[in-house]
Amino acid sequence: DTAVSQTPKYLVTQMGNDKSIKCEQNLGHDTMYWYKQDSKKFLKIMFSYNNKELIINETVPNRFSPKSPDKAHLNLHINSLELGDSAVYFCASSQTGQGGEKLFFGSGTQLSVL
Amino acid sequence: GNSVTQMEGPVTLSEEAFLTINCTYTATGYPSLFWYVQYPGEGLQLLLKATKADDKGSNKGFEATYRKETTSFHLEKGSVQVSDSAVYFCALTVTGGGNKLTFGTGTQLKVEL
Repeated sequence: DTAVSQTPKYLVTQMGNDKSIKCEQNLGHDTMYWYKQDSKKFLKIMFSYNNKELIINETVPNRFSPKSPDKAHLNLHINSLELGDSAVYFCASSQTGQGGEKLFFGSGTQLSVL
Repeated sequence: GNSVTQMEGPVTLSEEAFLTINCTYTATGYPSLFWYVQYPGEGLQLLLKATKADDKGSNKGFEATYRKETTSFHLEKGSVQVSDSAVYFCALTVTGGGNKLTFGTGTQLKVEL
């Protein structure tokens, strides 16, 4: 069983389109995250949800809207896609009280905006 | 603010060579320190951690010691294997930071036969 699964694995789309990436974790964790990894492998947190509530919202354009329907899911919707949005997006989860260190990552969604 | 600085890669080594990947940090507060590893086509995995000064984290032959005096957490392995080829990320988190991990830029390691 995959602990943190995200779909799709690859996403190729045109500028201006709207797309969503889905993430599900079956670990029973109460916190989920979205990270963005650019072409130089630099990894930056975008959002964090704890028990469906937003707790971290870094400086991210408001074209990016996370949605957490329940503790096990955190989806990322992106409006009006731009070339600079091309990156690999990682979903992750953790359990409060573990010091934040044991993040479990999904295998990533490679987004290419043409 | 919090930041992590890693040596730039790629680092290319022959199998059985000694590995050091440098990592230094700045933090507001007392950080916990981590190394994560990303194998090709996969997400990151926790490799090892240390939560207080002089602690040594170790896993799969890798080690790193939390040095508060030099604000460093260098990753070492005595004898690397081809299967260690991956990108290694140093990271920190500070209590009260909302479980927010701050990552370094990653160091790509290539191990050749």
